[in-house]
Amino acid sequence: DAMVIQNPRYQVTQFGKPVTLSCSQTLNHNVMYWYQQKSSQAPKLLFHYYDKDFNNEADTPDNFQSRRPNTSFCFLDIRSPGLGDAAMYLCATTRDRGEEKLFFGSGTQLSVL
Amino acid sequence: GESVGLHLPTLSVQEGDNSIINCAYSNSASDYFIWYKQESGKGPQFIIDIRSNMDKRQGQRVTVLLNKTVKHLSLQIAATQPGDSAVYFCAEIRRSNYQLIWGAGTKLIIKP
Repeated sequence: DAMVIQNPRYQVTQFGKPVTLSCSQTLNHNVMYWYQQKSSQAPKLLFHYYDKDFNNEADTPDNFQSRRPNTSFCFLDIRSPGLGDAAMYLCATTRDRGEEKLFFGSGTQLSVL
Repeated sequence: GESVGLHLPTLSVQEGDNSIINCAYSNSASDYFIWYKQESGKGPQFIIDIRSNMDKRQGQRVTVLLNKTVKHLSLQIAATQPGDSAVYFCAEIRRSNYQLIWGAGTKLIIKP
């Protein structure tokens, strides 16, 4: 059974049109992460939540926002997608911070037209 | 800056042979070193990790070797199978600052 679930699997949006990606987890983990991954590259951390505490990476553009309404759900909002934002977006969880074993969802492949 | 069109190192191995995937790491203060496997269209999946005070750890068909002298990490896969086809990422983590650092991936191709 999938433990980290991302919806939708594929998302197409228009240039400048806001889009929201969702992630849910059944592991009851405290930490949820959002990564961006472009072809042939390692995942790049955008931000993470430790419980309700939001932690933004220094180089994450303001165009990217996140919400975590409860333990199970986390959302990635892209306010004005540009062509350069087309990528795979991965959600991951760990029980606590600093743990090396991340549990990833299958990702949402975002296309920007 | 961002790398565009980054070429992914590739390793081609005959089915049934052993595979060795290598990685150089940067932070000698890291506490753990980790290998992830990412199959096409899926998220990365944890394979195995090794603590920084160890030099070898074995799992099911996989062995990770850590050489701290030259800051080198390797993943050995025994009797490679078609299901092992994937991109393999090494990573390192320093628990004090919660920072997980990803290495470049290696694409493993299994030849029938």
